[in-house]
Amino acid sequence: NAGVTQTPKFQVLKTGQSMTLQCAQDMNHNSMYWYRQDPGMGLRLIYYSASEGTTDKGEVPNGYNVSRLNKREFSLRLESAAPSQTSVYFCASSEMYSANEQFFGPGTRLTVL
Amino acid sequence: AQSVAQPEDQVNVAEGNPLTVKCTYSVSGNPYLFWYVQYPNRGLQFLLKYITGDNLVKGSYGFEAEFNKSQTSFHLKKPSALVSDSALYFCAVRDMTGAGNMLTFGGGTRLMVKP
Repeated sequence: NAGVTQTPKFQVLKTGQSMTLQCAQDMNHNSMYWYRQDPGMGLRLIYYSASEGTTDKGEVPNGYNVSRLNKREFSLRLESAAPSQTSVYFCASSEMYSANEQFFGPGTRLTVL
Repeated sequence: AQSVAQPEDQVNVAEGNPLTVKCTYSVSGNPYLFWYVQYPNRGLQFLLKYITGDNLVKGSYGFEAEFNKSQTSFHLKKPSALVSDSALYFCAVRDMTGAGNMLTFGGGTRLMVKP
């Protein structure tokens, strides 16, 4: 099993450009998440999908949109990238029940110039 | 609202010595508590969790953590540190009664184990 996979691994954008980060999991998990990691701030939740067909805002949703394409895939879109969105982005998945741990992908390092 | 504090940005320890990485939390109800580890250029890996029951939780790689409800703490410990334990450690909390499965993470503590 590959677990949680993310593409691309690295990306450089210019301000105003758009892009989509892809995430897929092969663990048959119901819930999926997008986080951003910034130095000294830990991980902050951008959006999550508790189950297929639902999405909800997390702590820092502004400037982002998500799509739960199917049970396996959860994409994150930046419509008009800003330098403040320079970060490392992690996708994660878990069983729906709240006591279950989350499994993380390897991350996407995004730089917005 | 739920929150987590990791008061130390970095912890330095000599190989073979015991280590402690501190974590305190705040939730309105009862907590689910987690520790994750991140090695350079990698995603987070689950170490251990406290859900209910015994206050001392054992996890991967010889790590353990002690849940202390009165002090709202969940410190990570290991009796004998290894150089390979050097990494970034995150504590996370979830309010048992909250909606969804949203974790709140601390800012992380970098553990440096020196030979």
